[in-house]
Amino acid sequence: EAQVTQNPRYLITVTGKKLTVTCSQNMNHEYMSWYRQDPGLGLRQIYYSMNVEVTDKGDVPEGYKVSRKEKRNFPLILESPSPNQTSLYFCASSPRATVGYTFGSGTRLTVV
Amino acid sequence: QQPVQSPQAVILREGEDAVINCSSSKALYSVHWYRQKHGEAPVFLMILLKGGEQKGHEKISASFNEKKQQSSLYLTASQLSYSGTYFCGTEIMESGGGADGLTFGKGTHLIIQP
Repeated sequence: EAQVTQNPRYLITVTGKKLTVTCSQNMNHEYMSWYRQDPGLGLRQIYYSMNVEVTDKGDVPEGYKVSRKEKRNFPLILESPSPNQTSLYFCASSPRATVGYTFGSGTRLTVV
Repeated sequence: QQPVQSPQAVILREGEDAVINCSSSKALYSVHWYRQKHGEAPVFLMILLKGGEQKGHEKISASFNEKKQQSSLYLTASQLSYSGTYFCGTEIMESGGGADGLTFGKGTHLIIQP
């Protein structure tokens, strides 16, 4: 089944403890993106990648890192999480520009 | 830069029509429309690429005015299943030829009542 898989679905962590949210797609898509969703703010793009080793900042990249060493994987890294990074995170992928994106099921992160 | 969506929320009776608008201050490569049900991931509805282009998906259609950088989503004879939050997403052409990823508006909450 074609899909975008995020793990974990839920995560509660403490301030400052490094964490990684994984994202993997099995559709050979070139484009991958990370978004955070907060009430009233919609979906805000954190980072996006147009291909392996090609990444760029979105609108809210501060406090996040990404890597794209393989086409299928696009992990989101929080080196030192803070409470203001408590949010619902979505990974999404697309074959190329001007084609619809497929979203993962989301990761609900709470930083205490 | 996020596109601007309006209205923020709409409450309709089943069978009524709705229009959701999306506008950008930048020249657009494409406009996407997605729907998100509560507790679920956004789901792709359609994409528009050219000025004046219109597309349809069941009773949901959209238009794109390239000159004004505006798109509208039309929901006709709304059904209970149409309830959810609708997001427009925009791609802007980069100087190198690719798009800069997909930037979403803040969303429009649509509530359909029986």
